[in-house]
Amino acid sequence: EPEVTQTPSHQVTQMGQEVILRCVPISNHLYFYWYRQILGQKVEFLVSFYNNEISEKSEIFDDQFSVERPDGSNFTLKIRSTKLEDSAMYFCASTYVGDTQYFGPGTRLTVL
Amino acid sequence: EDQVTQSPEALRLQEGESSSLNCSYTVSGLRGLFWYRQDPGKGPEFLFTLYSAGEEKEKERLKATLTKKESFLHITAPKPEDSATYLCAVKAGTASKLTFGTGTRLQVTL
Repeated sequence: EPEVTQTPSHQVTQMGQEVILRCVPISNHLYFYWYRQILGQKVEFLVSFYNNEISEKSEIFDDQFSVERPDGSNFTLKIRSTKLEDSAMYFCASTYVGDTQYFGPGTRLTVL
Repeated sequence: EDQVTQSPEALRLQEGESSSLNCSYTVSGLRGLFWYRQDPGKGPEFLFTLYSAGEEKEKERLKATLTKKESFLHITAPKPEDSATYLCAVKAGTASKLTFGTGTRLQVTL
């Protein structure tokens, strides 16, 4: 069964450093998303991406964040200068026609 | 602003003891209500999508129902492997994003 994959599973970084989180969505899907979940809190929407552009973003997704689909399979989330409060699980999700979203296993980001 | 509230926050059941989880929502123009299961340290795993009031979906020991204001996830004769956090999410209006509730943490003991 096709699934969303994410790498790395755990990323530890120093405050102020740049990180790139990678996702490979399900191959025929057209809509891509990033969500985050701070420990003990709800899953929060960050950004949606369709047809090679951002279609929607939340207030969390400020200028420190960017997304890219560099090739036909990968979808990345970049945080330019990490802050302590960026520590969270980051989930990638994808869907074919904007219906049910399928989530990856997540990347745990720890900012020291 | 879309709001999703789940109750209870935590639920402890004995194996075989049926119960229901609640998800109440306040949205403008519901386009779908989604149930996911999340194990510790893992991503949400899709369970059900419901689109309109009166709709029901079933999978093994789980059954999801939808009204105009809330959804229920009924768990019949649960087993320890059903222990997880159950998340409810909605899609509404013209947005494609999901808005999640805080989840119900279910523990099923022998």
